[in-house]
Amino acid sequence: QKEVEQDPGPLSVPEGAIVSLNCTYSNSAFQYFMWYRQYSRKGPELLMYTYSSGNKEDGRFTAQVDKSSKYISLFIRDSQPSDSATYLCAMRGFQGAQKLVFGQGTRLTINP
Amino acid sequence: EAGVAQSPRYKIIEKRQSVAFWCNPISGHATLYWYQQILGQGPKLLIQFQNNGVVDDSQLPKDRFSAERLKGVDSTLKIQPAKLEDSAVYLCASSLESGRDRDTQYFGPGTRLTVL
Repeated sequence: QKEVEQDPGPLSVPEGAIVSLNCTYSNSAFQYFMWYRQYSRKGPELLMYTYSSGNKEDGRFTAQVDKSSKYISLFIRDSQPSDSATYLCAMRGFQGAQKLVFGQGTRLTINP
Repeated sequence: EAGVAQSPRYKIIEKRQSVAFWCNPISGHATLYWYQQILGQGPKLLIQFQNNGVVDDSQLPKDRFSAERLKGVDSTLKIQPAKLEDSAVYLCASSLESGRDRDTQYFGPGTRLTVL
């Protein structure tokens, strides 16, 4: 079993739709949870960064963490064609040089 | 501020040949990471440096891969000899300092390696 599981998609939705992206994980030591966005032929860029359980909102993006279920989500409201990219969840432990563990990535296309 | 720089952007080699990638991190970033991203997968950490010391190289195939970070700034990743399964994008990332609660990694554009 992989430490982090993410549905690879692809996911295709119309412009303006609400998008839900999800990851599950098995390592209860993970404390920091991130979402990266990766455009084609580019490196990943940090989108959201959350610590422990709860919600965090930034503009059209909301990140949710449910540590009891080992489940994290990213919601995109009023989706735009420019949101078309691969979304990677990533997580790491609390102390020291804990390496980031990435999900497989979900390829998202927003259709005009 | 300038981002993480990598070169070359693309490389095509025959199997059993050698190849080297170069990375220049964001100025002032003590920690440097090399990741391997195979098509359709998330990045996998190969090696992590703190200044010029190795912090984690547990997933680096040491029989063929090597990396160094001279003077705690630029870094090179080498593969010798390359295998077909090494075809991937090699990403370099840097952060201010690992171990901080809100350590954020910034990624370069990557080097796309094709082994024929």
